[in-house]
Amino acid sequence: KAGVTQTPRYLIKTRGQQVTLSCSPISGHRSVSWYQQTPGQGLQFLFEYFSETQRNKGNFPGRFSGRQFSNSRSEMNVSTLELGDSALYLCASSLDLFAGSPLHFGNGTRLTVT
Amino acid sequence: DQQVKQNSPSLSVQEGRISILNCDYTNSMFDYFLWYKKYPAEGPTFLISISSIKDKNEDGRFTVFLNKSAKHLSLHIVPSQPGDSAVYFCAASASDSNYQLIWGAGTKLIIKP
Repeated sequence: KAGVTQTPRYLIKTRGQQVTLSCSPISGHRSVSWYQQTPGQGLQFLFEYFSETQRNKGNFPGRFSGRQFSNSRSEMNVSTLELGDSALYLCASSLDLFAGSPLHFGNGTRLTVT
Repeated sequence: DQQVKQNSPSLSVQEGRISILNCDYTNSMFDYFLWYKKYPAEGPTFLISISSIKDKNEDGRFTVFLNKSAKHLSLHIVPSQPGDSAVYFCAASASDSNYQLIWGAGTKLIIKP
């Protein structure tokens, strides 16, 4: 079974630009979550989608948005990039969010904003 | 307010010895706890979990202990191996919060030869 696939692996953008990251979950998984990881920080939750609906949202500004398609694939968009947005963005999928359903993570997209 | 805390940013352990990673939480509504392991340039991978109805769960070299009264859990790795060198994240969830995971900041475990 293929794992969670995130593209691209690396991205360099300039301040003020926008970026779209893509995530393909494990086949059959309907929940997709996005996280931001910066050095010294844990995983900061961005949002979670289930069956094309945003079910949970973290404390990030509106510049961060996402969506999920009918095949469960998900995209995350960051507009008006700031230097502080430089981070590893991780996508995770699961059957659903319930106890005993661990998240399966992709290898992330490393975004550098200059 | 950090609901899940891993107070040790790093831990160094001799190969073959026991590694003990600690995690504290503040939310008494958490009822499920997980440990993830992360290598550089890879996403975290699920290691072991425990429900709040238990106080211990074991899987091979890995054992997680939960002390609900102290709001504390720990991960024991015995014996520690070089491949265990990684960052370990503790995470917690509550059924009344849609099982959304709350993560600690991670502890970097270094296994010395």
